[in-house]
Amino acid sequence: SYGLTQPPSVSVSPGQTASISCSGDKLGDQNACWYQQKPGQSPVMVIYQDTKRPSGIPERFSGSISGNTATLTISGTQATDEADYYCQAWDSSTVVFGGGTKLTVL
Amino acid sequence: EVRLVESGGGLVNPEGSLRLSCAGSGFTFSNAWMNWVRQAPGKGLEWVGRIKSKSDGGTIDYAAPVKGRFTMSRDDSKNTVYLQMSSLKTEDTGVYFCTTGGGKYGLDYWGQGTLVTVSS
Repeated sequence: SYGLTQPPSVSVSPGQTASISCSGDKLGDQNACWYQQKPGQSPVMVIYQDTKRPSGIPERFSGSISGNTATLTISGTQATDEADYYCQAWDSSTVVFGGGTKLTVL
Repeated sequence: EVRLVESGGGLVNPEGSLRLSCAGSGFTFSNAWMNWVRQAPGKGLEWVGRIKSKSDGGTIDYAAPVKGRFTMSRDDSKNTVYLQMSSLKTEDTGVYFCTTGGGKYGLDYWGQGTLVTVSS
């Protein structure tokens, strides 16, 4: 079955740039989305259609796509950005999530 | 303000059944595609299924692990989507989230989730 691959963990210092990758065989032909989930909370969409930011999401969150790899970039990372991040795409009318990446801000 | 409120979770024996509900408000429910996504304790997100709006054909799709055991339905007069779960297994344990959206616009709104525990 189709899968999306993310690194299990990424660490970043406050104020620096964090990048989280997501790769999948057909991701370049799909529309990648990204979700942030903090402990004990529901996920929140931070990027859709590869690069678009929903209203209310800070400008420091951006998305990009190159070939079959999507990347979530957080510029000027803040302590409040520490969370789990999931990429998501569609495959034959079903939704696929990546395994998630734990972002640590230290 | 968009609001999604799940209910119906609880403790159930293996092979048992449970029905979850999700009530939506703050948007035109009848036009919305609705999804269920679950999360096992300490694990990642797993999509369960999606029901399209009636105007888009009302098509329902399920993830392979639940196909044949779970059934989604909607009642637009009550702004509610349901997930009927049967032949439950211990691996079905987790928090079940209701979400709107789908396709290229992503899963844009999420409920707070309801916990389902399958255990004897």
